[in-house]
Amino acid sequence: QKEVEQNSGPLSVPEGAIASLNCTYSDRGSQSFFWYRQYSGKSPELIMFIYSNGDKEDGRFTAQLNKASQYVSLLIRDSQPSDSATYLCAVNGGSNYKLTFGKGTLLTVNP
Amino acid sequence: DTAVSQTPKYLVTQMGNDKSIKCEQNLGHDTMYWYKQDSKKFLKIMFSYNNKELIINETVPNRFSPKSPDKAHLNLHINSLELGDSAVYFCASSLLRAQPQHFGDGTRLSIL
Repeated sequence: QKEVEQNSGPLSVPEGAIASLNCTYSDRGSQSFFWYRQYSGKSPELIMFIYSNGDKEDGRFTAQLNKASQYVSLLIRDSQPSDSATYLCAVNGGSNYKLTFGKGTLLTVNP
Repeated sequence: DTAVSQTPKYLVTQMGNDKSIKCEQNLGHDTMYWYKQDSKKFLKIMFSYNNKELIINETVPNRFSPKSPDKAHLNLHINSLELGDSAVYFCASSLLRAQPQHFGDGTRLSIL
């Protein structure tokens, strides 16, 4: 059973701080990694994707991937109250390219 | 607007009924998906079609039947609805199988 694990939180950070969200996965053959943001009652929205080891930056967001440790993280710099949402880690791998989601981490950014 | 659109947004029905949810994407993507998000917010793949061909069929009761008339449309028909089917169903699409997926707004299904 391929699994994606996330700390369910809630993770609470003050406005302006760095929020760090973590995810581990079990399938060593996984090839692509995604972070989605989901506001309450809304659909998942793609934030970042990363395919290679290392860091990938997009604005205030940085995704980090370490395939040897089977670990992917998302850093949100200068956190804003509007960043308060559930963040879903998703991992794609295997012969059928099935996307497996973690259960999500609830982030709260306090003004 | 380019998007993944689902209808209806809300579906309230009695146990035992049959219902359908429709999904259309105008992004030119080859692959479409159905996900179920339960009350604990866990998002799980149900089906995936690539260019009208079924490529993922998870352990889902056979009361659920997807149909893809063309690569821009993926519908979900559910027979004999049960209380446990209450959830939000999301349609998604991606350009290719391993590419980022884009989600529709979801259909909230409530079984009375």
